Amino acid sequence: SQQGEEDPQALSIQEGENATMNCSYKTSINNLQWYRQNSGRGLVHLILIRSNEREKHSGRLRVTLDTSKKSSSLLITASRAADTASYFCATYQGGSEKLVFGKGTKLTVNP
Amino acid sequence: DAGITQSPRHKVTETGTPVTLRCHQTENHRYMYWYRQDPGHGLRLIHYSYGVKDTDKGEVSDGYSVSRSKTEDFLLTLESATSSQTSVYFCAISDYRTDTDTQYFGPGTRLTVL
Repeated sequence: SQQGEEDPQALSIQEGENATMNCSYKTSINNLQWYRQNSGRGLVHLILIRSNEREKHSGRLRVTLDTSKKSSSLLITASRAADTASYFCATYQGGSEKLVFGKGTKLTVNP
Repeated sequence: DAGITQSPRHKVTETGTPVTLRCHQTENHRYMYWYRQDPGHGLRLIHYSYGVKDTDKGEVSDGYSVSRSKTEDFLLTLESATSSQTSVYFCAISDYRTDTDTQYFGPGTRLTVL
């Protein structure tokens, strides 16, 4: 079953604009991860936020986590055409070694 | 791709034939995973391994078997391929010790079952 569900499914913006993607999950988590997938490639880890953190930054990425709402958001600031990719949130299911992925948001950044 | 290779990268086969996909890592990571990716479903776990000869089922394991006889190799077998198994298959590795550990993905294998 899908633990995380991203919203929107697809997002198209212009270069220089900010892109925001949301992820909702169902069960309690210890941390949440975001991955990126360029077309035709494997997923690449972007950032991890722990359950006791509310916000985390990495370069142009900003991730927030609201455990009361069971949701997270990924913000990419000043987007570039190279940011065009699909973005997935993922969490480990309750103590297991299985990482469960959402269905992803497909981001298109138009030059 | 973090020392992970998958072979073959592309395969076309016919319904009812056996197919084996190979994942090879050079990172000496304990955990290896097989996922399939389909439009509208995201990534779904098929099987995973937590050590040599130690494997467990994932969300969509029916019709698939796996084997791991060496740390570096994890094989996914479709005993009798069906059209519903047409998909892109990804292998991933992890040195999972806590749930902060990340996974590293291979380049994928595109399988078409006619």
